[in-house]
Amino acid sequence: DQQVKQNSPSLSVQEGRISILNCDYTNSMFDYFLWYKKYPAEGPTFLISISSIKDKNEDGRFTVFLNKSAKHLSLHIVPSQPGDSAVYFCAALEGDDKIIFGKGTRLHILP
Amino acid sequence: DTAVSQTPKYLVTQMGNDKSIKCEQNLGHDTMYWYKQDSKKFLKIMFSYNNKELIINETVPNRFSPKSPDKAHLNLHINSLELGDSAVYFCASIRRGGGELFFGEGSRLTVL
Repeated sequence: DQQVKQNSPSLSVQEGRISILNCDYTNSMFDYFLWYKKYPAEGPTFLISISSIKDKNEDGRFTVFLNKSAKHLSLHIVPSQPGDSAVYFCAALEGDDKIIFGKGTRLHILP
Repeated sequence: DTAVSQTPKYLVTQMGNDKSIKCEQNLGHDTMYWYKQDSKKFLKIMFSYNNKELIINETVPNRFSPKSPDKAHLNLHINSLELGDSAVYFCASIRRGGGELFFGEGSRLTVL
């Protein structure tokens, strides 16, 4: 049973607009969440994270929002750029060591 | 310098063979992982080692055996390869206590 879910396998967004990637989780014990970006033939790279004691974390064009009551987090990218086209993985930390990933959402930035 | 490096990057082999994938990290991290990305692109944790000690072992067949000679290395040995083992295997490492998980570039295993 998937504990971290990304229900949209793909998303297309116009360049310059906002991209919103969603993630849901089922385990209320998760206390740290991460977003990773992955280009083809490369390993995932870290983007941004958020602790469960916060509801928002911002880093440049990337903002992650956490809604603990809904067990939902989202990644906002604004403005979207062509280089943002990639697969985005949501992940959650269980305990000290176990990082569980969602299935990923492929983001296409359209010219 | 590559932080987490895996070799080989590509591996094509026949069913029934035994193969190994090596991973090394030069970040001084204590914890290393193996993840498998299957055909559906799902990144699934397989093993985790902390300072050469196995701490996570998900439901992985016994044919998969991780080996950590020291905390900078975590190798994955696979016996009697099966078609379903075809996937991209990612090694990763993290500093104990949290932070960023650094991934290797992946090793694409194709079993024929």
